[in-house]
Amino acid sequence: AQTVTQSQPEMSVQEAETVTLSCTYDTSENNYYLFWYKQPPSRQMILVIRQEAYKQQNATENRFSVNFQKAAKSFSLKISDSQLGDTAMYFCAFMKRPPTYNNDMRFGAGTRLTVKP
Amino acid sequence: NAGVMQNPRHLVRRRGQEARLRCSPMKGHSHVYWYRQLPEEGLKFMVYLQKENIIDESGMPKERFSAEFPKEGPSILRIQQVVRGDSAAYFCASSPLAAPTNTGELFFGEGSRLTVL
Repeated sequence: AQTVTQSQPEMSVQEAETVTLSCTYDTSENNYYLFWYKQPPSRQMILVIRQEAYKQQNATENRFSVNFQKAAKSFSLKISDSQLGDTAMYFCAFMKRPPTYNNDMRFGAGTRLTVKP
Repeated sequence: NAGVMQNPRHLVRRRGQEARLRCSPMKGHSHVYWYRQLPEEGLKFMVYLQKENIIDESGMPKERFSAEFPKEGPSILRIQQVVRGDSAAYFCASSPLAAPTNTGELFFGEGSRLTVL
């Protein structure tokens, strides 16, 4: 079974600074996806960034980037130039990659990030 | 292009009543997933359905919970004889065709919050 661990229940950062959210996972699979989802107070789950395990290059989406360490099974999210609108719960998630998957996405418990003005 | 639509957004039930939650996937998506989120926790997989088929219900409680995705109409998550412990946010997600076209991303609705009095 796959498990996803987020060891930081809460974090805060000053506006415009950089913050890193940690995520580790446990799997015996070799092909999989990793995701970071954001859940603002509106509760909508919004995809922030996606990484495919077979790609060595770390994914980047504007101010969001990941540090993917496959051997260590670590997948941290770095938010640069933090903005007030980044305040939200952040969930790390894992999904097996086709063809040996069933679309069962496993989530960590989340990290509550607060960006302070 | 409407996203995943869930209704109702909020539902209040007394213990012993039935709760029905509906989910219309994004246009062109034939895969539907239900997740439950307890307060201050991550999303927990419940069930994965395709049209008229339950593919994986390994996360569904064995009693009182059922799900369907009929040929016509939305997917329904049904909870019979609700208890206080059923109070949670229930999220629906959809994805397009499975492998090899699936990128792994799930598109989430805004959730239905069930409160059991």
